[in-house]
Amino acid sequence: EAGVTQFPSHSVIEKGQTVTLRCDPISGHDNLYWYRRVMGKEIKFLLHFVKESKQDESGMPNNRFLAERTGGTYSTLKVQPAELEDSGVYFCASSEGLAGVGDTQYFGPGTRLTVL
Amino acid sequence: AQSVTQLGSHVSVSEGALVLLRCNYSSSVPPYLFWYVQYPNQGLQLLLKYTSAATLVKGINGFEAEFKKSETSFHLTKPSAHMSDAAEYFCAVSRGGAQKLVFGQGTRLTINP
Repeated sequence: EAGVTQFPSHSVIEKGQTVTLRCDPISGHDNLYWYRRVMGKEIKFLLHFVKESKQDESGMPNNRFLAERTGGTYSTLKVQPAELEDSGVYFCASSEGLAGVGDTQYFGPGTRLTVL
Repeated sequence: AQSVTQLGSHVSVSEGALVLLRCNYSSSVPPYLFWYVQYPNQGLQLLLKYTSAATLVKGINGFEAEFKKSETSFHLTKPSAHMSDAAEYFCAVSRGGAQKLVFGQGTRLTINP
């Protein structure tokens, strides 16, 4: 079974440009999460989809970030316009969504974004 | 609000020695606790998780962790370190179900030959 995949693995853009990150979750997983790790800091939650709906977007830093999940399958995270402080590693994770137990989140390899 | 503190951003041990990575949490509700590992150039992989069953949790690659409510701790141990254990380790907490994870700062483990 394929794991969580993310594309691209690396992206280098200039300040003010737009970048779109893509995440393909494990097939059948209703829950999809985005996290970010800025260099030297902890991994922080950005948002959570249940199927195509945003369940929790409390971690989104500002309105330059737009996340979508088309048809409850893959997800994209767009940063427009990018700023220097957006540099970091963006992780995607997915889970089945088992209520009442510690649902295991399976992580992708991450996209390393560098804004110059 | 939940938070996680990992004591020591870098830990170095000799091959064959005990590995102890510390994690303390704060949570307003009974937590679910996780340890993830990230090997170089890879994503995060689940080592083990605590979900209110046995307090001593065994994971992959010989790792285990003990949930101690009185100490609000969930330290990760391995009796004998291998060179292949060199990686970054993350402790995380959630409130259960399909909930977001709150991570500690990570501990980079180095194994000396």
